[in-house]
Amino acid sequence: GQQLNQSPQSMFIQEGEDVSMNCTSSSIFNTWLWYKQDPGEGPVLLIALYKAGELTSNGRLTAQFGITRKDSFLNISASIPSDVGIYFCAGQLRGGTYKYIFGTGTRLKVLA
Amino acid sequence: DVKVTQSSRYLVKRTGEKVFLECVQDMDHENMFWYRQDPGLGLRLIYFSYDVKMKEKGDIPEGYSVSREKKERFSLILESASTNQTSMYLCASLRDRNYGYTFGSGTRLTVV
Repeated sequence: GQQLNQSPQSMFIQEGEDVSMNCTSSSIFNTWLWYKQDPGEGPVLLIALYKAGELTSNGRLTAQFGITRKDSFLNISASIPSDVGIYFCAGQLRGGTYKYIFGTGTRLKVLA
Repeated sequence: DVKVTQSSRYLVKRTGEKVFLECVQDMDHENMFWYRQDPGLGLRLIYFSYDVKMKEKGDIPEGYSVSREKKERFSLILESASTNQTSMYLCASLRDRNYGYTFGSGTRLTVV
């Protein structure tokens, strides 16, 4: 099955730093989603993007739908310890069904 | 808010056992999904269902089957559990293609 290329795989950052992660693909997507998964829990939707070029914020989180429709970016500003977790991107292929394809995840650890 | 409930958080089963993982959603969604999550591999789709009694294979259906007798309940069945099926299993529900999945908290299955 298809997967999205998500990077970085993991990162350690200091509290207060900004964080960036991205997902890329050779395929074109209609929708991009960003999820966060806390340890021992299921992923929770953070941001949904529906149009190429769209920039959407949710508190300290900002995500963008790439102009080429093949990528997406998530930024977290002024990180705090509770930002720790795994962040997943998910994309819905153009012309696709209800399935979303997931990235392999970015594991974020914040050092206080 | 939509709630997706997975009946067990942790399960330990023996090789060769038939295992049932249950998932219930409370918002009358038509689409439901089963994923497994493994480190470094992200989320991989096992099976999904568009409606009652309808099912389609995902990317890794081998060794699994599903049942959807009622709209709110989607069951994953491991016909004969094997150690390589030790994983985190996530159930998800989808309102429509534009809203993204709502995930359950996951079932961590260990096959010994």
